[in-house]
Amino acid sequence: GQNIDQPTEMTATEGAIVQINCTYQTSGFNGLFWYQQHAGEAPTFLSYNVLDGLEEKGRFSSFLSRSKGYSYLLLKELQMKDSASYLCAAMDSNYQLIWGAGTKLIIKP
Amino acid sequence: DTAVSQTPKYLVTQMGNDKSIKCEQNLGHDTMYWYKQDSKKFLKIMFSYNNKELIINETVPNRFSPKSPDKAHLNLHINSLELGDSAVYFCASSQDPAPSREQYFGPGTRLTVT
Repeated sequence: GQNIDQPTEMTATEGAIVQINCTYQTSGFNGLFWYQQHAGEAPTFLSYNVLDGLEEKGRFSSFLSRSKGYSYLLLKELQMKDSASYLCAAMDSNYQLIWGAGTKLIIKP
Repeated sequence: DTAVSQTPKYLVTQMGNDKSIKCEQNLGHDTMYWYKQDSKKFLKIMFSYNNKELIINETVPNRFSPKSPDKAHLNLHINSLELGDSAVYFCASSQDPAPSREQYFGPGTRLTVT
């Protein structure tokens, strides 16, 4: 079956760095997405990886290892506004996104 | 300038009723989607349309029917509502169905069936 696993909740301190991990199993693979979702709001796009390696975009970076079925989202210089859920989604061979349940990130002062 | 809009934002109704949720995008995108986000926060694809043609039809009950009058609109009609239909429904769009395309989500419609 198709499955996405990510931690349910993480806590970090303002100004610190946090890494949110995601493992996936899909029928075929056409890339890995990360989205941010604030409580009561819509998901917004953060990153897309299809090749192995690290993609950096400002304070956020995303890493992919296709052989391990593994990705992580790295958030640096954490700000209070980064408190949100972070959704990992893998695209399968039918170009369908398989979503994880999200990791709720709590930032403390 | 709202990119993807949905109406209504909240919908409370009784079991057995029929309801519709409307979605419009002004991005000129070719592909639109409907997702259901349940209480456990899983997003599940329900339907997607590309240039008015249905390209994904997940195994959702046939009480749910998407209707697309043009490529800027994808409405969701639900017949004979059940308690289990309570969830947040998100509309989304992307430029096309290519793998790398990000999806733009509407604000969501919180449906409560009593």
